[in-house]
Amino acid sequence: SQQGEEDPQALSIQEGENATMNCSYKTSINNLQWYRQNSGRGLVHLILIRSNEREKHSGRLRVTLDTSKKSSSLLITASRAADTASYFCATDTGANSKLTFGKGITLSVRP
Amino acid sequence: DAGVTQSPTHLIKTRGQQVTLRCSPKSGHDTVSWYQQALGQGPQFIFQYYEEEERQRGNFPDRFSGHQYPNYSSELNVNALLLGDSALYLCASRFRDRVGYGYTFGSGTRLTVV
Repeated sequence: SQQGEEDPQALSIQEGENATMNCSYKTSINNLQWYRQNSGRGLVHLILIRSNEREKHSGRLRVTLDTSKKSSSLLITASRAADTASYFCATDTGANSKLTFGKGITLSVRP
Repeated sequence: DAGVTQSPTHLIKTRGQQVTLRCSPKSGHDTVSWYQQALGQGPQFIFQYYEEEERQRGNFPDRFSGHQYPNYSSELNVNALLLGDSALYLCASRFRDRVGYGYTFGSGTRLTVV
């Protein structure tokens, strides 16, 4: 079963614009992570935010977490064509630390 | 320092056959998890191995089994393959730092069952 649900399912933007992706989940979590996947290959870890954190930055990435609403958002600023990929949120409940993924968001950045 | 290594990268099998996929975790990582990702879906947790034992299992039938060796490398075995087993199989190794657990994923094995 999938815990995280990303929104929107697909997003198309112009290079240089910002991309905002949202994720909602159902149960209490230990942390939430965002991953990128290019062309159905391996997952690349982008950023992890813990349940006691509200906002985190890493380069052009900004992630927020609202545990009261059980939701998170990932903002990619000044997008580039190379950001074109699928993005997944994954929750870690801390119980043996398996990750539960959403279905993903397909981001297309037009040059 | 090599990351997580999976082999083979692609595999084609016939219904009813058996398959073994292999994973070498990143150096220093002692826990290995396996995920199945069907086309257009997010990865689904299969099971996790630590200290050569299966520690947690997702909602997968007994046809899916695994093994972990003393050097932390792992295998995923699938028996009596079905067409629906066609997917990308991802291996992830887990490490613990001062603030919690982190994960490194391999590039996956693309299994096609015909």
